[in-house]
Amino acid sequence: RKEVEQDPGPFNVPEGATVAFNCTYSNSASQSFFWYRQDCRKEPKLLMSVYSSGNEDGRFTAQLNRASQYISLLIRDSKLSDSATYLCVRSGAGSYQLTFGKGTKLSVIP
Amino acid sequence: EAGVAQSPRYKIIEKRQSVAFWCNPISGHATLYWYQQILGQGPKLLIQFQNNGVVDDSQLPKDRFSAERLKGVDSTLKIQPAKLEDSAVYLCASSLGGPGTSGIYYEQYFGPGTRLTVT
Repeated sequence: RKEVEQDPGPFNVPEGATVAFNCTYSNSASQSFFWYRQDCRKEPKLLMSVYSSGNEDGRFTAQLNRASQYISLLIRDSKLSDSATYLCVRSGAGSYQLTFGKGTKLSVIP
Repeated sequence: EAGVAQSPRYKIIEKRQSVAFWCNPISGHATLYWYQQILGQGPKLLIQFQNNGVVDDSQLPKDRFSAERLKGVDSTLKIQPAKLEDSAVYLCASSLGGPGTSGIYYEQYFGPGTRLTVT
């Protein structure tokens, strides 16, 4: 099992829709989690950090389930500008090393 | 606040040639990372520095890749000689790092990357 697994998509959703991505991880010692977004031919940008059970920032909500070893990202009221690849990332306990998933591609359609 | 700077942005070389990339992290960030991102995949860590010391280089192909961060600020990554499979985007990132349990020390900020094509 890969350390961080994501559904590659693509997820094609209409504007205004709610969409959720799941990410599973194999290392139970994982301490912190992050969601990064990456636009085509651009660098990853930090979207959200998750240190406890979850985090919410505007239209974006991340939830962490340590028992089942998955983390989700929920996007409400999708905008065209949300179209990007969303990378699920974990860090190990006591380590700054991040392990990235391959990403989930989202396309928001007018 | 200035972000992570990288140069060059693009590089095309022939196989067996050498190439070097430069990175200047965010001011005050102790930890610097080099990642390789192949098309369709997430970034893969090559090497991690804390100040000017190497913390993790377990995934760096040391027969051809080398990196240094001499004064704990700027860093260079070199490939010598390059292979076709080295074609990728090379990303530099930095984080506060250092001691502390706060999660913000883990948050990494990326530079624009160098897109390398080996022909």
